[in-house]
Amino acid sequence: EPEVTQTPSHQVTQMGQEVILRCVPISNHLYFYWYRQILGQKVEFLVSFYNNEISEKSEIFDDQFSVERPDGSNFTLKIRSTKLEDSAMYFCASSYRPSGGSTDTQYFGPGTRLTVL
Amino acid sequence: QKEVEQNSGPLSVPEGAIASLNCTYSDRGSQSFFWYRQYSGKSPELIMFIYSNGDKEDGRFTAQLNKASQYVSLLIRDSQPSDSATYLCAVYPGGYQKVTFGTGTKLQVIP
Repeated sequence: EPEVTQTPSHQVTQMGQEVILRCVPISNHLYFYWYRQILGQKVEFLVSFYNNEISEKSEIFDDQFSVERPDGSNFTLKIRSTKLEDSAMYFCASSYRPSGGSTDTQYFGPGTRLTVL
Repeated sequence: QKEVEQNSGPLSVPEGAIASLNCTYSDRGSQSFFWYRQYSGKSPELIMFIYSNGDKEDGRFTAQLNKASQYVSLLIRDSQPSDSATYLCAVYPGGYQKVTFGTGTKLQVIP
């Protein structure tokens, strides 16, 4: 069964460093998403991406964040200068269409645990 | 601000009982509703989606939607210890808008 994959599973970095989190969405999906979940808190939307551009972003997704689809398979989230409060689990998700309707939903990857020291 | 509310729990039920998980949402125009299961330290896993008023059954799971009351629920029949997890309600408003998650209800199934 097709699945979303993410690498690395755990990333430890120093405050102020840049990190890139990688995702490979399901191959025929067209919409891609990043979410984060701070330990013990709810899943929070960061950004959605379609047709090589951002469709929507939350207030969390400030200038320190960027997303890219550098080739036909990868979808990346870059944090330019990490802060302690960026420590969280980051989930990538993909869907064939925008979530909703009878057949489509967002399928989540296993997540990358980011720890900022 | 679109809100999705869930009781954080924990909701404890004995093995074999019916677990009832509830969710309310603020955006009356919301179109689709999802239930995800999340084990500790793991990613959300889709259980059910529903978009029409009424009940939708899939195995031991039944999702119920009442758009007039802005209420969606998940029933788990014959609860098993392996069902112990946090259940996330997610609401999709439509168009190209984001899915909003509730904080989740922690379910504990007692053997």
